[in-house]
Amino acid sequence: DADVTQTPRNRITKTGKRIMLECSQTKGHDRMYWYRQDPGLGLRLIYYSFDVKDINKGEISDGYSVSRQAQAKFSLSLESAIPNQTALYFCATSDSTVWDRETQYFGPGTRLLVL
Amino acid sequence: RKEVEQDPGPFNVPEGATVAFNCTYSNSASQSFFWYRQDCRKEPKLLMSVYSSGNEDGRFTAQLNRASQYISLLIRDSKLSDSATYLCVVNTNAGKSTFGDGTTLTVKP
Repeated sequence: DADVTQTPRNRITKTGKRIMLECSQTKGHDRMYWYRQDPGLGLRLIYYSFDVKDINKGEISDGYSVSRQAQAKFSLSLESAIPNQTALYFCATSDSTVWDRETQYFGPGTRLLVL
Repeated sequence: RKEVEQDPGPFNVPEGATVAFNCTYSNSASQSFFWYRQDCRKEPKLLMSVYSSGNEDGRFTAQLNRASQYISLLIRDSKLSDSATYLCVVNTNAGKSTFGDGTTLTVKP
């Protein structure tokens, strides 16, 4: 089984709809991240969480919210989806105990299309 | 100016060629550095960390120049399977990662 899973893998929705993307991990890592990737661009950080009670805005948090329900789960919500939120969304985890060498482990991604 | 900049390429090279990618970063407080590999529309995966003294992993060599704020990745004896996008990643001591936009490599027979 994959260490970092994302659901759904693909989603088509309409403008104005609320949508939730879910991420689960079995790696036991305390840090979790949500990124989006647009064609030809790198990953941009939306939100990140270093612990269950910790939520931080990233570079492009407007229009998004998150919930860290447990150490293993980190959900991303689009309260009212708009077409420019069409993108590939990745969840990632990392281990803070090796912060200066920490690498991130990514889920397989969720392809979201907002019509 | 972006915090992390890479030459987007694409780099098209024949099998067996040596190819080098560069990446520059603007935050002098950056602490750690990585190269990730991303295959088309799939998740990024760590290729290698970049250490101050430079490091090598088989055909791959990474270098860091803190004074000039750039890192590099050298691939020797390119294989078809090396075709991918290579992402430069820079971490600050706040635990945040900043990704470059990636350099696309195509290795041709």
